[in-house]
Amino acid sequence: GAVVSQHPSWVICKSGTSVKIECRSLDFQATTMFWYRQFPKQSLMLMATSNEGSKATYEQGVEKDKFLINHASLTLSTLTVTSAHPEDSSFYICSAPKTPSGEKLFFGSGTQLSVL
Amino acid sequence: AQTVTQSQPEMSVQEAETVTLSCTYDTSESDYYLFWYKQPPSRQMILVIRQEAYKQQNATENRFSVNFQKAAKSFSLKISDSQLGDAAMYFCAYRSASNQFYFGTGTSLTVIP
Repeated sequence: GAVVSQHPSWVICKSGTSVKIECRSLDFQATTMFWYRQFPKQSLMLMATSNEGSKATYEQGVEKDKFLINHASLTLSTLTVTSAHPEDSSFYICSAPKTPSGEKLFFGSGTQLSVL
Repeated sequence: AQTVTQSQPEMSVQEAETVTLSCTYDTSESDYYLFWYKQPPSRQMILVIRQEAYKQQNATENRFSVNFQKAAKSFSLKISDSQLGDAAMYFCAYRSASNQFYFGTGTSLTVIP
């Protein structure tokens, strides 16, 4: 099956620093990738939709300048948490629908971010 | 916007028994997909089963089957012969015609040996 690789698996950073999370589709091209945030024992909250070659679409309430998304190629999307604060600590998951029909959504293994 | 509701935050089942997880959704679309995803303690999301709305036949994948009631907007997951490895969070998901995915709040399944 299709594989989506997400790195790093976990990261600890100091408050005020920036953290970049990478999401790669290894065996298919992903024109669209989704970024989710998940709090403990809760559902996935869609943060933004990453579109290759164009600007990301952010969900209401998600700060664009805080969570920078870049989708520079058909296999790579990155999420950068800028000036991270403890409240940004969470589990972040990327996913990509496999084209052409996109009915199957494949997930990365997630990134646990802890901001001290 | 579409909504997905899972009314059972927690469920438990005896090993080798059968359990059914409930899911309802709200939509005005006629063409969509429904999914059940499993999230074990590793937190890797794993596709369990999917159903195309235009298909009347319920999807089946080995021990996993669904009861899809389109008119009632209901999509339940039945796990037969439950195994210890089935213990996980289960999320019901809806994919719209515009390729947006919506997830329910999840059901935590415990399998009792």
